Amino acid sequence: GESVGLHLPTLSVQEGDNSIINCAYSNSASDYFIWYKQESGKGPQFIIDIRSNMDKRQGQRVTVLLNKTVKHLSLQIAATQPGDSAVYFCAENMGAGGTSYGKLTFGQGTILTVHP
Amino acid sequence: NAGVTQTPKFRILKIGQSMTLQCTQDMNHNYMYWYRQDPGMGLKLIYYSVGAGITDKGEVPNGYNVSRSTTEDFPLRLELAAPSQTSVYFCASRSRQGASEQYFGPGTRLTVT
Repeated sequence: GESVGLHLPTLSVQEGDNSIINCAYSNSASDYFIWYKQESGKGPQFIIDIRSNMDKRQGQRVTVLLNKTVKHLSLQIAATQPGDSAVYFCAENMGAGGTSYGKLTFGQGTILTVHP
Repeated sequence: NAGVTQTPKFRILKIGQSMTLQCTQDMNHNYMYWYRQDPGMGLKLIYYSVGAGITDKGEVPNGYNVSRSTTEDFPLRLELAAPSQTSVYFCASRSRQGASEQYFGPGTRLTVT
């Protein structure tokens, strides 16, 4: 079946650095892609999404880039803070348009550790 | 608003026992989902619902059942629990078709021994 995977399982950065978390996907028909943050013992929290017809989307301190040619997704976090330490998941919807019903396929996750 | 709530937070079951994981959302969302998360892994979809009375299977439905009698509630039933069902279970909701964001509950950590 289709799957979403990550290149780097762990990432350690210093406070104030920029972080880049990568993700590979395989479902060319996905309408959108999402990044979630999961802190220890909590449910995933939505960070940002990007539609398949976009290349880049920016939020507060975060930027998501989508490269459909190589089926690659990345999350950039600017001026990383200790509170950003968490597991980050990329997810894609299964199928296209009205047939997906919001069903998501999640990647394995990347552990981001921010050192003060 | 409480958002998505799940009970219990933790549960230990013996092999062969049954239980129901409760999920309630107070956002009047039509779409609801159940996921499981095994250690060091991403979430996998078990079942989902697009509205009261309508449910369908996700990636890993075997060993589970769901019902959706109201918009608010989406319980997940485990029959004849097996060690392979040891996992953290998350319930989520989504407001409408076309919305990407799913709102997750805090999870239920289940151990089957």
